[in-house]
Amino acid sequence: ILNVEQSPQSLHVQEGDSTNFTCSFPSSNFYALHWYRWETAKSPEALFVMTLNGDEKKKGRISATLNTKEGYSYLYIKGSQPEDSATYLCAFTSSSGGSEKLVFGKGTKLTVNP
Amino acid sequence: KAGVTQTPRYLIKTRGQQVTLSCSPISGHRSVSWYQQTPGQGLQFLFEYFSETQRNKGNFPGRFSGRQFSNSRSEMNVSTLELGDSALYLCASSLGTSGAQYFGPGTRLLVL
Repeated sequence: ILNVEQSPQSLHVQEGDSTNFTCSFPSSNFYALHWYRWETAKSPEALFVMTLNGDEKKKGRISATLNTKEGYSYLYIKGSQPEDSATYLCAFTSSSGGSEKLVFGKGTKLTVNP
Repeated sequence: KAGVTQTPRYLIKTRGQQVTLSCSPISGHRSVSWYQQTPGQGLQFLFEYFSETQRNKGNFPGRFSGRQFSNSRSEMNVSTLELGDSALYLCASSLGTSGAQYFGPGTRLLVL
């Protein structure tokens, strides 16, 4: 059974703080690692899809790194803003499970206080 | 480009009934995946269809089934509904080449 773990479960930060979350996944049969942002009352929105060990992706103030050998990915938010408040989900796909079969973690819920 | 649409948005059914949910993908996307989210659980993969064929399947009972039409629209059916089937059902479309998936707004199903 594939297990994707995210920590912390929830996080409260002040506007302007930088923060990071962790996603742990099986290191064997790795295919891709996805990050999504899910705001309340909206649909999950793709942030990054990473496939190569050592990959680093950036979108504005948000960036992510990937270590497939040890099975973890970090998501960083620099200078958090209230509009960053959302649940951040990571999802893993394995080479044996099918490239579109996403196994999601339970997410990290971020609240940014103004 | 229009996003992924799902109908209906809300549904109330009673135990034992069956339900059909619909998903229209982004134009040009041939892959449609379905997920279930219940309180306390993350998004659970149900199945994925690509070019009218079920390509991947999650660990759900046979009461959960789906299909995809030639225009890539997909339907999901749940027969003999149970209370535990109350959940948010999301569909997502993609090109089917392991890139990002684009999610619809979801159908919230309540089984009484």
